[in-house]
Amino acid sequence: QVQLVESGGGVVQPGESLRLSCAASGFTFSDYGMHWVRQAPGKGLEWVAVAWYDGSIEYYADSMKGRFSISRDNSKNTLYLQMNSLTVDDTAVYYCARDNASGSYFYFDYWGRGTLVTVSS
Amino acid sequence: NFMLTQPHSLSESPGKTVTISCTRSSGSIDSSFVQWYQQRPGSAPTTVIYEDSHRPSGVPDRFSGSIDTSSNSASLTISGLKTEDAADYYCQSYESLNRGVFGGGTKLTVL
Repeated sequence: QVQLVESGGGVVQPGESLRLSCAASGFTFSDYGMHWVRQAPGKGLEWVAVAWYDGSIEYYADSMKGRFSISRDNSKNTLYLQMNSLTVDDTAVYYCARDNASGSYFYFDYWGRGTLVTVSS
Repeated sequence: NFMLTQPHSLSESPGKTVTISCTRSSGSIDSSFVQWYQQRPGSAPTTVIYEDSHRPSGVPDRFSGSIDTSSNSASLTISGLKTEDAADYYCQSYESLNRGVFGGGTKLTVL
């Protein structure tokens, strides 16, 4: 069965960096676009970024452009999110989600359980 | 850039029917598909409706989705409400296939 397992969350100070990982299994990872979606405590869902099946195309939410970088290693079935210059507003649970298509069709058919990132001084 | 607006909360009794609306602020609701996700406390979201009106396997037919171009909105209807349907529900769409958009979410209480 499809499994997505995020890791790499933790507590960091404002201005610091963090890299999240999402290990995928149960499907052919290199066939699907992959997204990051976040949820601040007590708030709604916010789309972060997408990487197409081969990593050739990436899109970002406007508020994340220039600070966040999505990437993938299809040989390791792993999706990444490099987050730089973190602020308290980046505090959230970060979910990895599979796109239903190879690119960015924006139908998230499977989700991981999420990893919590806390930015605090 | 468009936004999706949902009611903040709704409450209904078991056995009844509830409809959650999702209004698109600009552009036509039928220009990009709408998905609906259910999120129970402490859990990841799961899909209840995709491509406006399709149910994934395993989702009961009590859940249905539709769009209305006259009001530029999408709707999720849950009939025969059960206490287990209590959750947060999010509509979601996209713009130009390069930007994902979520509604603010609706907290559904069933009591």
